[in-house]
Amino acid sequence: GENVEQHPSTLSVQEGDSAVIKCTYSDSASNYFPWYKQELGKGPQLIIDIRSNVGEKKDQRIAVTLNKTAKHFSLHITETQPEDSAVYFCAASRADKLIFGTGTRLQVFP
Amino acid sequence: NAGVMQNPRHLVRRRGQEARLRCSPMKGHSHVYWYRQLPEEGLKFMVYLQKENIIDESGMPKERFSAEFPKEGPSILRIQQVVRGDSAAYFCASSPGQGNEKLFFGSGTQLSVL
Repeated sequence: GENVEQHPSTLSVQEGDSAVIKCTYSDSASNYFPWYKQELGKGPQLIIDIRSNVGEKKDQRIAVTLNKTAKHFSLHITETQPEDSAVYFCAASRADKLIFGTGTRLQVFP
Repeated sequence: NAGVMQNPRHLVRRRGQEARLRCSPMKGHSHVYWYRQLPEEGLKFMVYLQKENIIDESGMPKERFSAEFPKEGPSILRIQQVVRGDSAAYFCASSPGQGNEKLFFGSGTQLSVL
């Protein structure tokens, strides 16, 4: 079955800096890669996703890149703000269940 | 357009009791997923259901846990004879299905077993 690894587990950045979170997956048949943001006491919220036929996708300050050959995908947040502080999860799926990474706790200091 | 609704938000049970967690998917969504999250850990897949069918229960413990998604009403995750190790946040997610994998999560039920 699919296995998703996520690094780093914690990440602290200064407001305005960029943050990068990386994930690897094991199942080459996976074709859908979403990223979720989870704030304290809340459920995960989808922030961006990418499919295997696309190498990069951007949405304002957030971008995701995918390297199918290496089975890597990454989340990039530019111009970070204190409200970006949360736990971020990557996930992978191949048209059935999502398998999640272990999460990255991002702290953005003013 | 209500999102995924889970209740209760918090549930306290003593060891040996039963816990019932309910999930109403988003309007128009026919696929429901249950995930468990332990403190400081990721989301672990438990079960995937469509109306009246269990599609994948590979993440469910073999004993004491069951799930259903009846033709009418919410999906139910049932834990019999709870033990302390069952304490966790249980999240439900729904999707439209039919090739659309976008999952939308509820706010979760925090189960505490005394």
